[in-house]
Amino acid sequence: DIQLTQSPFSLSASVGDRVTITCRASQSSGSELNWYQQKPGKAPKLLIYGASSLQRGVPSRFSGNGFGTDFALTITSLHPEDFATYYCQQTYSVPYTFGQGTILEIK
Amino acid sequence: EEQLVESGGGLVQPGGSLILSCAASAFTVSSSLMSWVRQAPGKGLEWVSGMHGGGITLYADSVKGRFTISRDLSKNTVFLQMYSLRPDDTAMYYCARAPGQARFRFDLWGRGTLVSVSS
Repeated sequence: DIQLTQSPFSLSASVGDRVTITCRASQSSGSELNWYQQKPGKAPKLLIYGASSLQRGVPSRFSGNGFGTDFALTITSLHPEDFATYYCQQTYSVPYTFGQGTILEIK
Repeated sequence: EEQLVESGGGLVQPGGSLILSCAASAFTVSSSLMSWVRQAPGKGLEWVSGMHGGGITLYADSVKGRFTISRDLSKNTVFLQMYSLRPDDTAMYYCARAPGQARFRFDLWGRGTLVSVSS
């Protein structure tokens, strides 16, 4: 199984800040890495797919990059609605594992 | 509007069984990889099972042999039959769609149905 490790576990930031969350895979996932945002009591929402493609309707302040084992999600100029938990997921091989999540909190 | 609606969750005793349903609207389940993803209380996401558009089924090791994914194309609905349930199966169970046949991305999710396994 491909294990995904996200860093940091939690992050405090202010509105307007730029933040980066990383996701490291235990073996290559090619470019088959997705990022999701989840708010309390809600289902996850797809932000980025294929490591760097922005899902339709997602603001352009979200971006992703990486290939193989190292990936990153960057949010430029944080908005109040961006404070949530973020997960990476690989769909390169079964089981389609998720990272443990990164909690983005308001400072 | 494309939509997924889960149902069938509830309280069940350890060793018991439950069947979850995921009804799809405005698209056909046979055109996508349909998956179940669960989230234990206060924990992260765990992919549980999936069915390709062509009917191939996939399972996480944690549920293999105890859970069965199936579908009814006439009802455009996907099911998750859960047997020999354990307390650690307690979670919110989400149904999710990944369109196409490769490079999967879970772009549509239901609101989830809660399964509690307890005596």
